[in-house]
Amino acid sequence: GQSLEQPSEVTAVEGAIVQINCTYQTSGFYGLSWYQQHDGGAPTFLSYNALDGLEETGRFSSFLSRSDSYGYLLLQELQMKDSASYFCAVRDRGNQGGKLIFGQGTELSVKP
Amino acid sequence: EAGVTQSPTHLIKTRGQQATLRCSPISGHTSVYWYQQALGLGLQFLLWYDEGEERNRGNFPPRFSGRQFPNYSSELNVNALELEDSALYLCASSLRTGPQGYTFGSGTRLTVV
Repeated sequence: GQSLEQPSEVTAVEGAIVQINCTYQTSGFYGLSWYQQHDGGAPTFLSYNALDGLEETGRFSSFLSRSDSYGYLLLQELQMKDSASYFCAVRDRGNQGGKLIFGQGTELSVKP
Repeated sequence: EAGVTQSPTHLIKTRGQQATLRCSPISGHTSVYWYQQALGLGLQFLLWYDEGEERNRGNFPPRFSGRQFPNYSSELNVNALELEDSALYLCASSLRTGPQGYTFGSGTRLTVV
């Protein structure tokens, strides 16, 4: 089966950089994804890492180390609107489809 | 392009009743996934439909069921509602293959009283 662990909450100040870590255990690995959810709304896809290394999309970056079963989401130049829950997720099979298994989420609070 | 749409937005039911939730995927997406999110918790996988077939189900009792129609829209049915079924039910769609991202709907907030 699959399981993911991430911190339950993180607090940071506006303009700062924050890193949200995710460790996973999977029977087969098909990539690590990150989603953002504001106040119980629709989760939105942020990034996906299939291979080791850093993927950058604007202020957000995501990193993966398959040998360590570890990844993180890096948010730079934090803004108040970044206050949200962030979920890491792994797919349970490859490109033939398969469900995403989500972590319990990290609630990020950005303070002025 | 229209996103994933879910209806109703809110639903209040009495314990023991049945609830029906609906989801329309993005045009061209053949896979539909249902998740339950209890207040303050993560997303728990419920069901996955693709091409009209149930492909996988999560660790939920049989009173949670659903189907996918020929137009790829989907319906989630919850029978014999219990208080602990109160949650946000999220539907997501994706292509059968290709990018790894799901597109989620805004959910149906089900309250069982």
